Amino acid sequence: DVKVTQSSRYLVKRTGEKVFLECVQDMDHENMFWYRQDPGLGLRLIYFSYDVKMKEKGDIPEGYSVSREKKERFSLILESASTNQTSMYLCASSLGLFNEKLFFGSGTQLSVL
Amino acid sequence: EDQVTQSPEALRLQEGESSSLNCSYTVSGLRGLFWYRQDPGKGPEFLFTLYSAGEEKEKERLKATLTKKESFLHITAPKPEDSATYLCAVQGIMDTGRRALTFGSGTRLQVQP
Repeated sequence: DVKVTQSSRYLVKRTGEKVFLECVQDMDHENMFWYRQDPGLGLRLIYFSYDVKMKEKGDIPEGYSVSREKKERFSLILESASTNQTSMYLCASSLGLFNEKLFFGSGTQLSVL
Repeated sequence: EDQVTQSPEALRLQEGESSSLNCSYTVSGLRGLFWYRQDPGKGPEFLFTLYSAGEEKEKERLKATLTKKESFLHITAPKPEDSATYLCAVQGIMDTGRRALTFGSGTRLQVQP
């Protein structure tokens, strides 16, 4: 069965900390995405990557960076966490240009205090 | 800019009481419209893709339809296990370079026994 695994289900961090969210997929997918999900706002795209070492900004990239050193792994980095980054973070992957189907991880609920 | 609006925000049904969820969209050339289901504490799970007005897709008690401005997710004789948040997303023709979807904020469905 296809799988997208996010390293942590819950995280609590302090303001100003550097935070790493890890995501691994086992489907050999080209495309990987980071979304955040907030009540009433839906899923908003932070960054995506369509190849190793390639990255593109999504709709809300400010305060975030990403790394994709290997095809199966896509990391989201909060350089200096702030309280407005408290959210559910969802990683997804898909195959090909017209990604017919996104496969999502179970999410990381991040709280920044 | 692509936009997706879902209504209602929340819907409570009795078991067996059929209803419809609405997804209105604005996109500069529709490449595809997607429906996902999200259970509490989990990532969204793919249900359907629709490509052109008039198209319909079915899966068990769910049927998705598409017009030029909106999509409906019809739920026939729902059961408690259909309780979830249903998300609608679009990909515009101009978005294919982005390879990313624009999501609505979802409809939270609760089916009571």
